Amino acid sequence: EAGVAQSPRYKIIEKRQSVAFWCNPISGHATLYWYQQILGQGPKLLIQFQNNGVVDDSQLPKDRFSAERLKGVDSTLKIQPAKLEDSAVYLCASSPFTWTRTRTDTQYFGPGTRLTVL
Amino acid sequence: AQKVTQAQTEISVVEKEDVTLDCVYETRDTTYYLFWYKQPPSGELVFLIRRNSFDEQNEISGRYSWNFQKSTSSFNFTITASQVVDSAVYFCALSGGYQKVTFGTGTKLQVIP
Repeated sequence: EAGVAQSPRYKIIEKRQSVAFWCNPISGHATLYWYQQILGQGPKLLIQFQNNGVVDDSQLPKDRFSAERLKGVDSTLKIQPAKLEDSAVYLCASSPFTWTRTRTDTQYFGPGTRLTVL
Repeated sequence: AQKVTQAQTEISVVEKEDVTLDCVYETRDTTYYLFWYKQPPSGELVFLIRRNSFDEQNEISGRYSWNFQKSTSSFNFTITASQVVDSAVYFCALSGGYQKVTFGTGTKLQVIP
């Protein structure tokens, strides 16, 4: 079974530029997540999708970050304009089942995209 | 609010030594899940184990074992006879449902040959 795919693996941009990341979850997985992992810290959830709907985006800086999952499969995360503090690894994860109040499924992670903002 | 504390920032052990990684959590939920993930230098988070709050049985998988104690809100991870390939950052994580997972800050384990 293919894992979670992400591209690009590395990206270097200057501040105020725009950048987009792509994620393809494991086939059939209903839930998709984007995390930001700053060096030396644990991953922080940015946004969670259930199929093509947003479940949680409470920690997404909406003035500059946006994400979509139009057909309920692939997803893109965009930063516009980027700031120095956005330098981090952006991780995509997916889990198989639909969202419920009492259930948490295991999340499977992709390799991440390392963003450097100069 | 939920919180995960991994007090050990970095640990170094000599190969074949046993090592325990500590994890303490806080949650108000009665039903919750605990996870351990491994993040090798390549960067990908690798799932190791998932436990729910109703199952306090300890678990052993090869050289890995986990000790879950609700009374102390701890979910510790022990590697027996450590190997160089175990060198990585290990994250403990907690979810109280809705699939929202909170990660600890991680423990970097270095196994010296």
